[in-house]
Amino acid sequence: DIQLTQSPSFLSASVGDRVTITCRASQDISSYLAWYQQKPGTAPKLLIYAASTLQSGVPSRFSGSGSGTEFTLTISSLQPEDFATYYCQQLNNYPITFGPGTKVEI
Amino acid sequence: EEQLVESGGGLVQPGGSLRLSCGASGFILSTYDMHWVRQGAGKGLEWVSAMGVAGDTFYPGSVKGRFTISRDTAKNSFYLQMNSLRSGDTAVYYCARRWAHWYFDLWGRGTLVTVSS
Repeated sequence: DIQLTQSPSFLSASVGDRVTITCRASQDISSYLAWYQQKPGTAPKLLIYAASTLQSGVPSRFSGSGSGTEFTLTISSLQPEDFATYYCQQLNNYPITFGPGTKVEI
Repeated sequence: EEQLVESGGGLVQPGGSLRLSCGASGFILSTYDMHWVRQGAGKGLEWVSAMGVAGDTFYPGSVKGRFTISRDTAKNSFYLQMNSLRSGDTAVYYCARRWAHWYFDLWGRGTLVTVSS
């Protein structure tokens, strides 16, 4: 099974900060990586797919990069509505796996 | 509007069974790979099962042999039969649609399963 690790697990930041979250895969997953944002009590929301493609309707302050085993999600200027938990997901093969999440807090 | 709606969650005793349903509207469910994902309270997301367009099924080791995914094309719905439930299966269960190979683009709101005596 492909394991995903995320760092950091928690991130304390302020509005306007640039935030970077890293996701590492235990083996090469090419670009089959997606990023989701989740707020309490709601389903995950897709932000980025194919490692770097912004989902329609997602603000351009979100960006993704990487391929192979190392990936990053960057929020260029954190907004109040961005305080949430972020998960990476690999879809290269089964079993599909998620990273443990990064909680972005004030 | 495309939508997924889960139902069937509830309280069940350890060792018991439960069947979750996911109804789709606004699209034909059998033309997509469909998935179940769960999330324990305060925990991360865990992929639970999938059914491909061809009817092939996939499970992680944690539920293989206990959970079964199925679909009813006439009802545009799919299901998760959960047997031999354990306390560790307690979670909100989401159904989700996979877009091609790339991502889950549509999620339901989830249904809570509690395994407790």
